[in-house]
Amino acid sequence: EIVLTQSPGTLSLSPGERATLSCRASQSVTSTYLAWYQQKPGQAPRLLIYGASSRATGIPDRFSGSGSGTDFTLTISRLEPEDFAVYYCQQYGRSPLWTFGQGTKVEIK
Amino acid sequence: DVQLVESGGGLVQPGGSLRLSCAASGFTFSNSAMSWVRQAPGKGLEWVSAISGFGGATYYADSVKGRFTVSRANSKNTLYLQMNSLRAEDTAVYYCAKDVLDSSGPRLDSWGQGTLVTVSS
Repeated sequence: EIVLTQSPGTLSLSPGERATLSCRASQSVTSTYLAWYQQKPGQAPRLLIYGASSRATGIPDRFSGSGSGTDFTLTISRLEPEDFAVYYCQQYGRSPLWTFGQGTKVEIK
Repeated sequence: DVQLVESGGGLVQPGGSLRLSCAASGFTFSNSAMSWVRQAPGKGLEWVSAISGFGGATYYADSVKGRFTVSRANSKNTLYLQMNSLRAEDTAVYYCAKDVLDSSGPRLDSWGQGTLVTVSS
């Protein structure tokens, strides 16, 4: 079973700053199988990035994903007030079918 | 627009049973694999179960295998999760989600608003 470890646990930044979130896999992951989600309090998760770097429909271009092998990154180029949330990486596998990282909270500094 | 609406959550005693439903609209339901994902209070996301479009293949997390059963009624555009032998650690918000499994990259591209299951005496 592949384990996804996200860092940092919490990122304290100001609006307008750049956010860099990391997701490290315990084994190599097919890049196509890596996705990122955003979750705000009291809401369902929302798909941001799939295939490691493809933005989902309606996602602003300040969100970008990159990486390969065991190291993946979600970058938010300039934080908007609505971007403060928890972010999860996810990979598609065999057993279990879907694995999530533990999440990174981006909070207002 | 895709819409997923869960129902059936509530308070149940340890050892009890509950059946969750997820009503789907806005897409061809029978063409889509579906998943259940849960989130314990204050915790992260945990995938629970998935089912193929025509129900021929089902998948479970080890934590629920043998206790939960996923099924679907394509004629009713509805996904189900039968939960038996419930434990306190099953307490969570349960989300249904639409799986997309294509060459662009597997993903859960639409989610319901969730239904809360509380297992407590």
